[in-house]
Amino acid sequence: RKEVEQDPGPFNVPEGATVAFNCTYSNSASQSFFWYRQDCRKEPKLLMSVYSSGNEDGRFTAQLNRASQYISLLIRDSKLSDSATYLCVVTSNDYKLSFGAGTTVTVRA
Amino acid sequence: DTGVSQDPRHKITKRGQNVTFRCDPISEHNRLYWYRQTLGQGPEFLTYFQNEAQLEKSRLLSDRFSAERPKGSFSTLEIQRTEQGDSAMYLCASSPDSFERLSAETQYFGPGTRLLVL
Repeated sequence: RKEVEQDPGPFNVPEGATVAFNCTYSNSASQSFFWYRQDCRKEPKLLMSVYSSGNEDGRFTAQLNRASQYISLLIRDSKLSDSATYLCVVTSNDYKLSFGAGTTVTVRA
Repeated sequence: DTGVSQDPRHKITKRGQNVTFRCDPISEHNRLYWYRQTLGQGPEFLTYFQNEAQLEKSRLLSDRFSAERPKGSFSTLEIQRTEQGDSAMYLCASSPDSFERLSAETQYFGPGTRLLVL
């Protein structure tokens, strides 16, 4: 079983829509959680850290459910520029990131 | 640009040849990481340096792979006797060595070296 599993999508949504997706992780000792964004043929870039109480960054909201071992990301008022692959990342130490395979989001005009 | 840089950006080689990639981390970052990403997958951890010390190597890093960071600044990743299965994007990342865990865990990635083994 993979350490981090994500729905690969793709999620095709119109501009202005809300899109949400989850990932699950298998290691209950995982300490920190992140969402990274990766554009086609580019490097991953940190989108946001995920805190136990949930957190927002503009149009992006991340939630963590430790009991069920899943993390969610919600994007409100989608923009064309939100089209990307979103990588769920967990770590159980302070150096090795474990990535999911990514969820592809395409926002259409 | 003061981000992580990698060289070359693309490499095409024939099976059996050796290749070497270079990574220059963000200058004040003590920690350096190598990951490999294949199509449709997320990056997979290969190895980690704190300054010049290589502290962990993944089982993915076979004996054909070697990584160094001799002066605690730039790092090189060498693949000997390349195989077609080595074709992937090789990503380097760096982070500060910080007492604040979240700061240490926030890794900044370079643009990657895309390797194609024919």
